[in-house]
Amino acid sequence: GAVVSQHPSWVICKSGTSVKIECRSLDFQATTMFWYRQFPKQSLMLMATSNEGSKATYEQGVEKDKFLINHASLTLSTLTVTSAHPEDSSFYICSAKTGEWNQPQHFGDGTRLSIL
Amino acid sequence: DAKTTQPNSMESNEEEPVHLPCNHSTISGTDYIHWYRQLPSQGPEYVIHGLTSNVNNRMASLAIAEDRKSSTLILHRATLRDAAVYYCILRVSSYNTDKLIFGTGTRLQVFP
Repeated sequence: GAVVSQHPSWVICKSGTSVKIECRSLDFQATTMFWYRQFPKQSLMLMATSNEGSKATYEQGVEKDKFLINHASLTLSTLTVTSAHPEDSSFYICSAKTGEWNQPQHFGDGTRLSIL
Repeated sequence: DAKTTQPNSMESNEEEPVHLPCNHSTISGTDYIHWYRQLPSQGPEYVIHGLTSNVNNRMASLAIAEDRKSSTLILHRATLRDAAVYYCILRVSSYNTDKLIFGTGTRLQVFP
């Protein structure tokens, strides 16, 4: 149980284009979803937290107009990297958890984004 | 944000127990201690979590110091599939926030 699916698993695109990444909880309802970014040989950095039906809360230093997050249903959140540039190339990982107090986050397998 | 300190790397032989330490001296009374592990090119996998008492599950055991300023993840018999980066994390939660702040983790190597 507690499976989180991310799509696509990898994407390569030209500089200036926008890229959308989907995160789905397959067998549970995700009240809260999280988006992380991970550069090579570094740890995960939390970008934002989104609750279903609400605006996302972004961490300090993360541009909300650059990284658009939508969490319109209890099973789907999307991250759109707008006008992507080479410095946005990274491994983007989502996680999801139910509304129950003491439950862990369950992570997707990540999306490797390469901007040329 | 709450911070944890872990050794950069550890080694083990297959089928031996592994004790992964973590220091969290600034932990507050409501912070849960979470452990996740990450294999290359994959998202993290939940391992175990606890607050004050020691915890056991099918994957591992978590031993928490009485003062809660440190904890140890115990893999009872390491296998090659246990080779990963192990993250000890304090879950920060309050009325308007609930998040995990990842540290640098411990890279565990397991030798046959």
